[in-house]
Amino acid sequence: EPEVTQTPSHQVTQMGQEVILRCVPISNHLYFYWYRQILGQKVEFLVSFYNNEISEKSEIFDDQFSVERPDGSNFTLKIRSTKLEDSAMYFCASSEATGGTEAFFGQGTRLTVV
Amino acid sequence: SQQGEEDPQALSIQEGENATMNCSYKTSINNLQWYRQNSGRGLVHLILIRSNEREKHSGRLRVTLDTSKKSSSLLITASRAADTASYFCATDRAGANSKLTFGKGITLSVRP
Repeated sequence: EPEVTQTPSHQVTQMGQEVILRCVPISNHLYFYWYRQILGQKVEFLVSFYNNEISEKSEIFDDQFSVERPDGSNFTLKIRSTKLEDSAMYFCASSEATGGTEAFFGQGTRLTVV
Repeated sequence: SQQGEEDPQALSIQEGENATMNCSYKTSINNLQWYRQNSGRGLVHLILIRSNEREKHSGRLRVTLDTSKKSSSLLITASRAADTASYFCATDRAGANSKLTFGKGITLSVRP
């Protein structure tokens, strides 16, 4: 069964460093998303991406964050200068279409900023 | 306002019993989805119910949606120890490009 894959599963980084989280969405999906979950809290929307551009972003997704689809398969989230409060589980998701289709999530990348 | 609030926050049942989890939301929605998350792991999609549907079944899962009350329930019948996980409802709103808004989740423990 097709699935969303994320790498790495766990990343530890020093405060102020840049990190890139990688995702391979399901191959025929067109809509891509990043969410995050701080330990013990809700899953929060960060950004949605369609047709090679951001379609919506949340207040969390400030100038320190960027997304890219560098080729036909990968979808990346970059955090330019990490802060302690960026420590969270980051989930990538994809869906075939918008409005009424299931969003499938990857296993997540646990980011720990020290 | 909070969208997608589940209750109870924690539920402990015996294997074989049914588990009912509820979700309420505040704004109008397109669809409501239920997800399961095992401890520290990814979100597994369980079922999607559209705003014009009232009930949906998938294996041991039954989901209902009452748009007049802005609520949904997830019933797991004949629960198993492997059903132990956190369960989240997530809604998407019309015109919101399928962005999902999650509730805080329900922790279900199924005792063997």
